[in-house]
Amino acid sequence: AQSVTQPDIHITVSEGASLELRCNYSYGATPYLFWYVQSPGQGLQLLLKYFSGDTLVQGIKGFEAEFKRSQSSFNLRKPSVHWSDAAEYFCASPGYSSASKIIFGSGTRLSIRP
Amino acid sequence: EAGVTQFPSHSVIEKGQTVTLRCDPISGHDNLYWYRRVMGKEIKFLLHFVKESKQDESGMPNNRFLAERTGGTYSTLKVQPAELEDSGVYFCASSQVEDGTEAFFGQGTRLTVV
Repeated sequence: AQSVTQPDIHITVSEGASLELRCNYSYGATPYLFWYVQSPGQGLQLLLKYFSGDTLVQGIKGFEAEFKRSQSSFNLRKPSVHWSDAAEYFCASPGYSSASKIIFGSGTRLSIRP
Repeated sequence: EAGVTQFPSHSVIEKGQTVTLRCDPISGHDNLYWYRRVMGKEIKFLLHFVKESKQDESGMPNNRFLAERTGGTYSTLKVQPAELEDSGVYFCASSQVEDGTEAFFGQGTRLTVV
């Protein structure tokens, strides 16, 4: 079955440090892939998406993600995190059998150390 | 432009009671989706409306859940009677396109059944 896996439940990084959140997908064809963020009290906000083409995707708030087919990965990165980046991050993909269903990873909670 | 709005933001009810969640999609979005995140688990698809019709309700957990979208505008999700395992965060999303690639999410309703 199609799945999206986020191996890290909780990550803590220092403010100003770099960040990489991991995401792996299981899927035969090239998937569409998303990263969403949920800040406290907010809804899910789309950070970036990959459909095809350039494998390095730029998103909002200074985030980027790289699609690597050989590793079945779509990791999210940011060169320098800010305290406001503390949130929960979700990797996701539209369902292969039904694109209207988004399949989410279990989420990674990011804490920022002052 | 207003985003997807969900009411209430929080609800605490006793087991056996009825709760109705409401979602107001972005104006003009024919597609409306409900998702749910049970504590510690993935965000999972519940159902998809296209206008007032249920396009896909394969994710609805059981017949205690009833979703409606009369007139193709706002939607309600009723849980009757509520059980402890229904606790979680219920998200609504809307989009102009039928696939999941351009969905905008609301802030969610946190439901606690005690």
